[in-house]
Amino acid sequence: AQTVTQSQPEMSVQEAETVTLSCTYDTSESDYYLFWYKQPPSRQMILVIRQEAYKQQNATENRFSVNFQKAAKSFSLKISDSQLGDAAMYFCAYRSPNSGGSNYKLTFGKGTLLTVNP
Amino acid sequence: NAGVTQTPKFQVLKTGQSMTLQCAQDMNHNSMYWYRQDPGMGLRLIYYSASEGTTDKGEVPNGYNVSRLNKREFSLRLESAAPSQTSVYFCASRKPGTVNTGELFFGEGSRLTVL
Repeated sequence: AQTVTQSQPEMSVQEAETVTLSCTYDTSESDYYLFWYKQPPSRQMILVIRQEAYKQQNATENRFSVNFQKAAKSFSLKISDSQLGDAAMYFCAYRSPNSGGSNYKLTFGKGTLLTVNP
Repeated sequence: NAGVTQTPKFQVLKTGQSMTLQCAQDMNHNSMYWYRQDPGMGLRLIYYSASEGTTDKGEVPNGYNVSRLNKREFSLRLESAAPSQTSVYFCASRKPGTVNTGELFFGEGSRLTVL
């Protein structure tokens, strides 16, 4: 079974600075999908960024980017120019290509709580 | 758009009581999911439904039942609540045709406490 590990339970960053959240995963598959979800204090989770393992280019969405290291099984999230609204719990998630159709499932890490200091 | 709506948002139960968490989505999604979130545990899948009339067990189904009433609604029932079921419950849905890359759309969660 796949596992997702987020080794940083909590992180903090100063407003306008850059922070990197770590995620590693364990899999024997060669093709899969990785996600970062954000859960702000209102508790509704939203997708931040997505990466397909077959793509070498790192995904980027505005101030959010990933550093995908397939050989190392690492998928870190970089937040540039941090804003107060970035404060949230961030979850890394893995989806196997074999979990398609009715068996679509995400495996989540335990989360990293990000605090943004003004 | 309302998206995914869960009710109730908060509930306190006594051990042995039963209750149903309701979930509805207005995005015409086929697949729906129930997760539970516990401190230090991330999200764990309880049950999912690929389409109306079908349901399947996830990682932690014991103590729960589900009903996919129609395309919009997917309910989670606790027949005899236990303190171990104290958690925050999230309903989610997935857009059709996105099985390979699709994101999940989550509700705001239901915080359940079992005394």
